[in-house]
Amino acid sequence: NAGVTQTPKFRILKIGQSMTLQCTQDMNHNYMYWYRQDPGMGLKLIYYSVGAGITDKGEVPNGYNVSRSTTEDFPLRLELAAPSQTSVYFCASSYSRENTEAFFGQGTRLTVV
Amino acid sequence: KNEVEQSPQNLTAQEGEFITINCSYSVGISALHWLQQHPGGGIVSLFMLSSGKKKHGRLIATINIQEKHSSLHITASHPRDSAVYICAVVRSIYLNYGGSQGNLIFGKGTKLSVKP
Repeated sequence: NAGVTQTPKFRILKIGQSMTLQCTQDMNHNYMYWYRQDPGMGLKLIYYSVGAGITDKGEVPNGYNVSRSTTEDFPLRLELAAPSQTSVYFCASSYSRENTEAFFGQGTRLTVV
Repeated sequence: KNEVEQSPQNLTAQEGEFITINCSYSVGISALHWLQQHPGGGIVSLFMLSSGKKKHGRLIATINIQEKHSSLHITASHPRDSAVYICAVVRSIYLNYGGSQGNLIFGKGTKLSVKP
């Protein structure tokens, strides 16, 4: 099973550029999440989705947008990249509510210069 | 003060040693996760628990809800256990459109290095 697949693994962006981080899961999970991990800090929730067509902001949503047109895909869009968005991004999914195991993608290391 | 605190931040052990990593939290929770982040960056779930104790191979996780504390133990540690171990608690939040969703709050992680 592929599980949660993120692309790309690495990316360098210039200030002001835009990009989309792709996330796909093949486990038919309703719940999907985007986190960012900064050095020395715990993961922070950017956006989450409880099913196709339903998304909501997490703790640090500014500068990002998401969509959930299918159960499988949950892309994260960065508009007008800024150096503060340099981070490692993780997509995750879970079958149901919070008391179930979460599955994580391999991460995307993004550098904005 | 962070809502989830892990200790120690860094831990170096010799192969074969018994290891304990601690997690304390200050919010009400419905469950707690222990995660492992490999040197390559990937994150895998080790345990999810809401009470008592769970064991998987050489790993043991315990939680005391009253004391708001959890521990992750590794018996007979091995260099392949070297990784960052992350504690995350589940705090329920209420959604704008109704219903509720657990929000994971992560600790900063404990970096474990096991020397041969």
